Amino acid sequence: KQEVTQIPAALSVPEGENLVLNCSFTDSAIYNLQWFRQDPGKGLTSLLLIQSSQREQTSGRLNASLDKSSGRSTLYIAASQPGDSATYLCAVNWLGSSNYKLTFGKGTLLTVNP
Amino acid sequence: NAGVTQTPKFQVLKTGQSMTLQCAQDMNHEYMSWYRQDPGMGLRLIHYSVGAGITDQGEVPNGYNVSRSTTEDFPLRLLSAAPSQTSVYFCASSYTNTGELFFGEGSRLTVL
Repeated sequence: KQEVTQIPAALSVPEGENLVLNCSFTDSAIYNLQWFRQDPGKGLTSLLLIQSSQREQTSGRLNASLDKSSGRSTLYIAASQPGDSATYLCAVNWLGSSNYKLTFGKGTLLTVNP
Repeated sequence: NAGVTQTPKFQVLKTGQSMTLQCAQDMNHEYMSWYRQDPGMGLRLIHYSVGAGITDQGEVPNGYNVSRSTTEDFPLRLLSAAPSQTSVYFCASSYTNTGELFFGEGSRLTVL
């Protein structure tokens, strides 16, 4: 079964710390992987999209890496800020599926303490 | 930039009532979908559409109906609401079938 797992479910860090969020997937035959941010009571905002041929993508303080062979992706957040507090979700687009058959992880709730 | 717009944001229904959740996007995206998000279950795909006139079922389609008469709109109909349909519903769209996905703000539905 194609599954996406995010561990830990929750993470609390002090402001300024660099941190890594993890996403693992059970099938290496993926088309791409997306990282999203969700604030309480809000929709999901796309952060980074990594194609299967890419190893990493960067946007500002965010860097996402992809290792298909090990079934892992990480989201690195540099110099964390209280405004980074949110739930972060990863989603995998499996080869042979459409974008609307993404499989989502259950997310990591990040709290950055001032 | 409106993006993906969902209405209503909140709705309370009684068991057996029907209603339609509206979704509209102004980005000329061909691909649209509906998800529900429940605690501990994550996001689950209800229905999706790859273009006007074309729809298909996702993971949890029972009790829901969709149609896609225009590129912009993709309404989700609850035929006879049940308490199990209490959830937060998200509409999402994408320009291509493997591109970046854009979400609406969500519609919180409570069925009593």
